[in-house]
Amino acid sequence: EAQVTQNPRYLITVTGKKLTVTCSQNMNHEYMSWYRQDPGLGLRQIYYSMNVEVTDKGDVPEGYKVSRKEKRNFPLILESPSPNQTSLYFCASSSIQSPSLWEGRDEQFFGPGTRLTVL
Amino acid sequence: QQQVKQSPQSLIVQKGGISIINCAYENTAFDYFPWYQQFPGKGPALLIAIRPDVSEKKEGRFTISFNKSAKQFSLHIMDSQPGDSATYFCAASKYNFNKFYFGSGTKLNVKP
Repeated sequence: EAQVTQNPRYLITVTGKKLTVTCSQNMNHEYMSWYRQDPGLGLRQIYYSMNVEVTDKGDVPEGYKVSRKEKRNFPLILESPSPNQTSLYFCASSSIQSPSLWEGRDEQFFGPGTRLTVL
Repeated sequence: QQQVKQSPQSLIVQKGGISIINCAYENTAFDYFPWYQQFPGKGPALLIAIRPDVSEKKEGRFTISFNKSAKQFSLHIMDSQPGDSATYFCAASKYNFNKFYFGSGTKLNVKP
């Protein structure tokens, strides 16, 4: 089954304790991305990756790190979590299609989400 | 500064009615405008998407209307059903799939 998996699904931690949220996809997608979802703000992009070893900042990268050592994995690292990082986090992946193939559904597949609480 | 503004925040529609959600954007470099549907406890899922070279795209009961000059696009859900009750997000991106900007979301409730 084609899917994006995230672990853990729920996490409660304390300020300053380093944590990693894992993301893995089994669709051989080049593009992967992390978002956070907050009430009234929608989804905001944290980091994205166009391929292995290629990552770039999204709209809200402060306080987060990512790595892309393998095509299927894109972990999100919070080196020193703070309460303002309490949020619902989503990982997503997509195949990068050429414009001529756009009529296909080049969708981002989202994972089930990780609810993080930082006390 | 919010790149994509979405309204309304919430919407109640009777079964069989038309649901309309609006979005506006600022950056004229955007050339890919998807809509996502999210059910409680799930991740968003692509519903329908449009590029600015067309003014309308229809898939079943879902239609995107696009007004390039006004920098606005909207989602119309015809014959709305209770199963359509979900949160809807518009988004915008340049097609080379780098940064995505999402609207703040619209919670749709379709009453039986």
